[in-house]
Amino acid sequence: GDSVTQMEGPVTLSEEAFLTINCTYTATGYPSLFWYVQYPGEGLQLLLKATKADDKGSNKGFEATYRKETTSFHLEKGSVQVSDSAVYFCALTGGSARQLTFGSGTQLTVLP
Amino acid sequence: NAGVMQNPRHLVRRRGQEARLRCSPMKGHSHVYWYRQLPEEGLKFMVYLQKENIIDESGMPKERFSAEFPKEGPSILRIQQVVRGDSAAYFCASSSDRAQYGNTIYFGEGSWLTVV
Repeated sequence: GDSVTQMEGPVTLSEEAFLTINCTYTATGYPSLFWYVQYPGEGLQLLLKATKADDKGSNKGFEATYRKETTSFHLEKGSVQVSDSAVYFCALTGGSARQLTFGSGTQLTVLP
Repeated sequence: NAGVMQNPRHLVRRRGQEARLRCSPMKGHSHVYWYRQLPEEGLKFMVYLQKENIIDESGMPKERFSAEFPKEGPSILRIQQVVRGDSAAYFCASSSDRAQYGNTIYFGEGSWLTVV
């Protein structure tokens, strides 16, 4: 079945540092890929998405490119802020499953 | 346009009681999903419903858990005879069409169940 593997956390960075959170997937067919963010005590918010190979999703300074050749969708941000501290989830749909399959999540803490 | 609405946000139940969690999808959405997030863990799929139909319940525990999405009204996730291990955050999500076609799934803010 489908699966998503995320870089294990927690990740701790200083403000303005460069962020990369790795995400790779296994899926049949042509999945759509997503990054969701969860702030403490809240639900999941869609951060960005990409629906086909070579698409780049971007939002709030975050970017991720759908790489079919490496089956990856790594999340990047050039300069993180304290307010970016949250748990980030990589996810996919459209493989063999009819709903979202999530990675295990990566806790990011940004220090001032 | 209101988002996915869940209630209650927080629920405390004693062991053996029943818990009912409600979810109203976004306006115009007819596909509903329930996920469970155990402490310090990721999200696990439980069930996928369309109006009056259960499409996929492969993630639902075989006993004590049930879900419905009636023609009128919210989707309900029901947990009978709760145990401490049921303590978790339960997230509802909805989409306008089948997620497998790449449609975005939107999440509610969750219902936190604590079993004492």
